[in-house]
Amino acid sequence: LAKTTQPISMDSYEGQEVNITCSHNNIATNDYITWYQQFPSQGPRFIIQGYKTKVTNEVASLFIPADRKSSTLSLPRVSLSDTAVYYCLVATGGSQGNLIFGKGTKLSVKP
Amino acid sequence: NAGVMQNPRHLVRRRGQEARLRCSPMKGHSHVYWYRQLPEEGLKFMVYLQKENIIDESGMPKERFSAEFPKEGPSILRIQQVVRGDSAAYFCASSPLEGGGELFFGEGSRLTVL
Repeated sequence: LAKTTQPISMDSYEGQEVNITCSHNNIATNDYITWYQQFPSQGPRFIIQGYKTKVTNEVASLFIPADRKSSTLSLPRVSLSDTAVYYCLVATGGSQGNLIFGKGTKLSVKP
Repeated sequence: NAGVMQNPRHLVRRRGQEARLRCSPMKGHSHVYWYRQLPEEGLKFMVYLQKENIIDESGMPKERFSAEFPKEGPSILRIQQVVRGDSAAYFCASSPLEGGGELFFGEGSRLTVL
C-alpha cells in the first residue's frame, strides 16, 4: 500500500490560494489519489479524486505530475470556513483492501 | 438518500463494560469501513467488511474488539471490557465499490471510558 506524506500544518489568509502537496513515492499503477476534508467533530468528506494530470470540480483542483509520485490539492480563494484537516489518500481502484489515511494537513485560514 | 448513520453519537462507559457502536451504510452500499480517531490525531483504519464477511481486520486489536456486518441490519463494532485508552471517536464509512472510490463517512460515535 502506498504511503503518503504531507505537511502537518499550513497557515493562510482569506482570499488566498492554498496548495497542499502530498508525496506518494510508491504509488502503484492502479492507484487513485483522493483528498478528504475533515472539520472538528465531524466525519471526513470527499473533496476530489484523480489519476493523472489535472482534475477540477466546484471545490478544488488536483494536480498530478506525469510520474504520479506526488499530487497537489489547490483551494482557490480560501475562506475561514476552509479551516480543516485535509487528508491525502491513495487507494487501489477496483480491488479489495483497507484505505490508509495519512496524518493530514491542518489548514488554518486567518482573517 | 440518507447518509451513513451512526449511533449512538456519544457513549459513556465505565472500565470493564462493553461498548456497541452501530453503523447503517448508505442505501445500496455493501462495503463498510471502521476507523478510530484519537484526539488531535489522524484516522486509523480498523476493519473493512462486506455483507456477512470480514475482508480486512488488520487494523483491529486482537483482543476485545470485534466487528460484524450481517445480512440484515447495521454493522456493529463491539468493544468488550473497555479501558480508558479506548476513548476515541469511531467513524464508519461506506462505499459502493471495492477498495476504492469515494468513501461516505458518518458523523462518528464518541466513546468516553471513565
